[in-house]
Amino acid sequence: SQQGEEDPQALSIQEGENATMNCSYKTSINNLQWYRQNSGRGLVHLILIRSNEREKHSGRLRVTLDTSKKSSSLLITASRAADTASYFCATYKDYGQNFVFGPGTRLSVLP
Amino acid sequence: DSGVTQTPKHLITATGQRVTLRCSPRSGDLSVYWYQQSLDQGLQFLIQYYNGEERAKGNILERFSAQQFPDLHSELNLSSLELGDSALYFCASSALPGRSNTEAFFGQGTRLTVV
Repeated sequence: SQQGEEDPQALSIQEGENATMNCSYKTSINNLQWYRQNSGRGLVHLILIRSNEREKHSGRLRVTLDTSKKSSSLLITASRAADTASYFCATYKDYGQNFVFGPGTRLSVLP
Repeated sequence: DSGVTQTPKHLITATGQRVTLRCSPRSGDLSVYWYQQSLDQGLQFLIQYYNGEERAKGNILERFSAQQFPDLHSELNLSSLELGDSALYFCASSALPGRSNTEAFFGQGTRLTVV
């Protein structure tokens, strides 16, 4: 079974609005990462947050991590049409030695 | 550009055939991961190699195999192909596993279509 589950599955917003995506996971993690995938293309790494961090910023991105609730959120502020993509959270476990992805959130930013 | 190179970008082949997908990791990365992405299954982990040795195995079919060569490039071999094997196959690389800041860098993928 997949470790991460994103919510919502799909999100449609207007340009300039903020977009929030959530991710829940099941077991303890070393870090959690967010990736973006434009249609049919490769995955682009956005941000990594370690298990001992609670919040991290990168440009218009803000990620939070709550290890007690086993959840993370990705906030994209002032969204642009170019942000239209699928967003995946991935958890990393040392002993599992692989990155486990959730099913993703499809974000559509309308001009 | 992630620094991970996958070839070919597209592959169309018939059922029953065998294909080889190639991946060159980022310079200096010792770990290579293979993932399959299909519409109904999301990103599924197949297999990981570290410095030439298999380190972890996921949902990889017996018809599929992989290896990592001394120059660290990796190949994923898919045989006796079925229509259901049509998918995007991604390779990713990372530095030493087990560190809290380990992140994966993905190639652009190989789109396999089995007809």
